[in-house]
Amino acid sequence: QTVVTQEPSLSVSPGGTVTLTCGLNSGSVSTTSHPSWYQQTPGQSPRTLISRTNFRSSGVPDRFSGSILGNKAALTITGAQADDESDYYCVLYLGGGLWVFGGGTKLTVL
Amino acid sequence: QVHLQQWGAGLLKPSETLSLTCAVNGGSLSSYYWSWIRQPPGKGLEWVGEIKYYGEPNYNPSLKSRVIISLDMPKNQVSLTLSSVTAADTAVYYCVRGYSQVLIDYWGQGTLVTVSS
Repeated sequence: QTVVTQEPSLSVSPGGTVTLTCGLNSGSVSTTSHPSWYQQTPGQSPRTLISRTNFRSSGVPDRFSGSILGNKAALTITGAQADDESDYYCVLYLGGGLWVFGGGTKLTVL
Repeated sequence: QVHLQQWGAGLLKPSETLSLTCAVNGGSLSSYYWSWIRQPPGKGLEWVGEIKYYGEPNYNPSLKSRVIISLDMPKNQVSLTLSSVTAADTAVYYCVRGYSQVLIDYWGQGTLVTVSS
């Protein structure tokens, strides 16, 4: 069974830089995995941040950027702000019309 | 601006059928892919399945035997049916829009469905 892996939790200082990753338990992530990233604060619907590896959604600040780092997809937040404290989810395309979400990363800004 | 408005029964008994509908306001079903995502309380997101605007469905293998996603083009609506529900199907269900290589660009507001005897 294919599992999408994310760090369960990370922390960053205000103004700092943090990278969240999204990998596969077997195999590598590439642009053909069409990785996307979503941000969710408690009680809210998620918000789409990044699609197709590195395309920011409308209205998303440019401190959020997506990339492939090694064999994983990555979401980098540069100049973290207090309201970036959220849960972040990635999703990968496995082929055959199938998508799988990662378990999410809880980001703390402190 | 596209707005996805969803509704359906919020409380079901085990073995009943979950039925949710999503109305697409401010846009058309055409040219887009329509998915349902669910999130159990306190847990992460799970892709339930997708239907492309021309009617081709794809489902999460773990749910495939129980799920149907369909389009009603004249009404501009997307529907989710999940049969034989159990407590494990308790979740907030989100209707979402996407397109080629992009799973989600718009999210619905979510509907909490609770399965309890």
